[in-house]
Amino acid sequence: EAGVTQFPSHSVIEKGQTVTLRCDPISGHDNLYWYRRVMGKEIKFLLHFVKESKQDESGMPNNRFLAERTGGTYSTLKVQPAELEDSGVYFCASSRPTGEGETQYFGPGTRLLVL
Amino acid sequence: QKEVEQDPGPLSVPEGAIVSLNCTYSNSAFQYFMWYRQYSRKGPELLMYTYSSGNKEDGRFTAQVDKSSKYISLFIRDSQPSDSATYLCAGYRGSTLGRLYFGRGTQLTVWP
Repeated sequence: EAGVTQFPSHSVIEKGQTVTLRCDPISGHDNLYWYRRVMGKEIKFLLHFVKESKQDESGMPNNRFLAERTGGTYSTLKVQPAELEDSGVYFCASSRPTGEGETQYFGPGTRLLVL
Repeated sequence: QKEVEQDPGPLSVPEGAIVSLNCTYSNSAFQYFMWYRQYSRKGPELLMYTYSSGNKEDGRFTAQVDKSSKYISLFIRDSQPSDSATYLCAGYRGSTLGRLYFGRGTQLTVWP
């Protein structure tokens, strides 16, 4: 079984540019999560999809971030326009809808550097 | 106040040592407590989780939760160089609220 994949692995952009991150969850996993780790801080939740619906987007920092999951498969996270403080590692995780105590499987992350 | 507090270390021990990793949390709604291991340039990987208070053992790893003191621990017996990684504790409320609340992670090095 293939794990969670993320693309690109690294991205270096200038302030004001747009970047789109992609996550392919494990096949059959309805739950998809985005998290972010800023240097020196803890991994923080951004949002949660159940299939194509946003279950919880309370962690999204502002309206420069837009997440989509068309068709309930892969997801994209767009940052437009990027700011310096958006630099960090963006993780995607997926899980099956087992309810309690579900295991979230994480991808390797996308390392974003905004200059 | 952060939901989960964790000393980032670093922690360095000789091979064979018993390692104790600890976290505290503030959210009484947490029902599940996870320990993730993260190797360099990789994503976090679930080691084990416990539900509510109590102990759970898996091989050389033991997880403990004390809800009365809001304290989470992970013990590693007979530590190996391959255990060198960052260990992240996390709390989770359960139900449909799937978000994990992570600590900062403790960087562990086990030297031969």
